[in-house]
Amino acid sequence: GESVGLHLPTLSVQEGDNSIINCAYSNSASDYFIWYKQESGKGPQFIIDIRSNMDKRQGQRVTVLLNKTVKHLSLQIAATQPGDSAVYFCAGGSGYSTLTFGKGTMLLVSP
Amino acid sequence: DTEVTQTPKHLVMGMTNKKSLKCEQHMGHRAMYWYKQKAKKPPELMFVYSYEKLSINESVPSRFSPECPNSSLLNLHLHALQPEDSALYLCASSQPLSGANVLTFGAGSRLTVL
Repeated sequence: GESVGLHLPTLSVQEGDNSIINCAYSNSASDYFIWYKQESGKGPQFIIDIRSNMDKRQGQRVTVLLNKTVKHLSLQIAATQPGDSAVYFCAGGSGYSTLTFGKGTMLLVSP
Repeated sequence: DTEVTQTPKHLVMGMTNKKSLKCEQHMGHRAMYWYKQKAKKPPELMFVYSYEKLSINESVPSRFSPECPNSSLLNLHLHALQPEDSALYLCASSQPLSGANVLTFGAGSRLTVL
């Protein structure tokens, strides 16, 4: 089976800083990875995804980097805002399988 | 409409009660999911429906009974639950299982079993 995990359970940053959330995965057969943001009292919200044949993808204020050599995924958030405070989950999948979620990292942004 | 709507938002029930959680989406998604989420943990898959048919049951106890009346609706019937079943129950939907399975989640139903 696939295992997806995170290096840091909690990340505290100052408003305006750049944030980097990391994720390690074990299944090299994963076809794609997704980052979700979950705010308190809400369901996970899609942020960005990346296919395994890519090493970088950019969105609005977010960038996902994929290093298949070391099976590592990261989410970079530029100019972090208090509204970015949430738990961030990486998730991976392959073929027609369902997603496997990582353990989550809590991002705390202080003004 | 890009939302998944779950009702009720909060539910408190005794161990002998029968209740149901409901989920609705109008995005034309043909795969729907139930996840269970404990505090500070990732969502855990319970059931997957694809084209209104149950395709995955992750060895969930029979006190949880899913139902998919049509392509827009998903229910989770609850009976004789245990206090350890207290959790956030998340519904999600997606295009049928395909190469990039991006799930759209609802806000969840917070269940407390007394």
